[in-house]
Amino acid sequence: DAGITQSPRHKVTETGTPVTLRCHQTENHRYMYWYRQDPGHGLRLIHYSYGVKDTDKGEVSDGYSVSRSKTEDFLLTLESATSSQTSVYFCAISGTGYTEAFFGQGTRLTVV
Amino acid sequence: DAKTTQPPSMDCAEGRAANLPCNHSTISGNEYVYWYRQIHSQGPQYIIHGLKNNETNEMASLIITEDRKSSTLILPHATLRDTAVYYCIVQEGGATNKLIFGTGTLLAVQP
Repeated sequence: DAGITQSPRHKVTETGTPVTLRCHQTENHRYMYWYRQDPGHGLRLIHYSYGVKDTDKGEVSDGYSVSRSKTEDFLLTLESATSSQTSVYFCAISGTGYTEAFFGQGTRLTVV
Repeated sequence: DAKTTQPPSMDCAEGRAANLPCNHSTISGNEYVYWYRQIHSQGPQYIIHGLKNNETNEMASLIITEDRKSSTLILPHATLRDTAVYYCIVQEGGATNKLIFGTGTLLAVQP
């Protein structure tokens, strides 16, 4: 299995609090992605990174920020969590060129 | 937005071939077609990808039409464990390498 770890795996937080999810890889892959998945929807891209300190917005980036200060870590921050951000969050990594992406196990976030 | 269109659901009998179609009529010349699947609530799993030639690996075959506007994923002998949501993706290459998912096809393999 590809070396990709998400933490925490489960989190319950209150509305208005900041939350940070971590994606850690040991594959030295260039690209990292954050997705959210809600019932009835496929995976929707939040933010992605194409190198250290190089990030860009995806389809549903409002209310989220990211940081990548080193190759192995990609952090997703909810500045002020809302109930609409209750979701399952997946991180993915991929190398350069047309290669496969590897996905983490997911983080189930509940905002109450 | 996703560049692919897939049927929302399909059934297949166990042991038979499952043929999952995908339409990607706006695909560009340097964009690849990828297939992933997601079993229950796990992270998606890579299956196969291709540019214009047919591809086969230990999991599946990918048939891409000559005009590249559509493709078919073939699971040659479907098992119950193949029940999953299958996503067809056109990957934007270049510097960003974005992966944009559509809603996928729920394949139900029946005993």
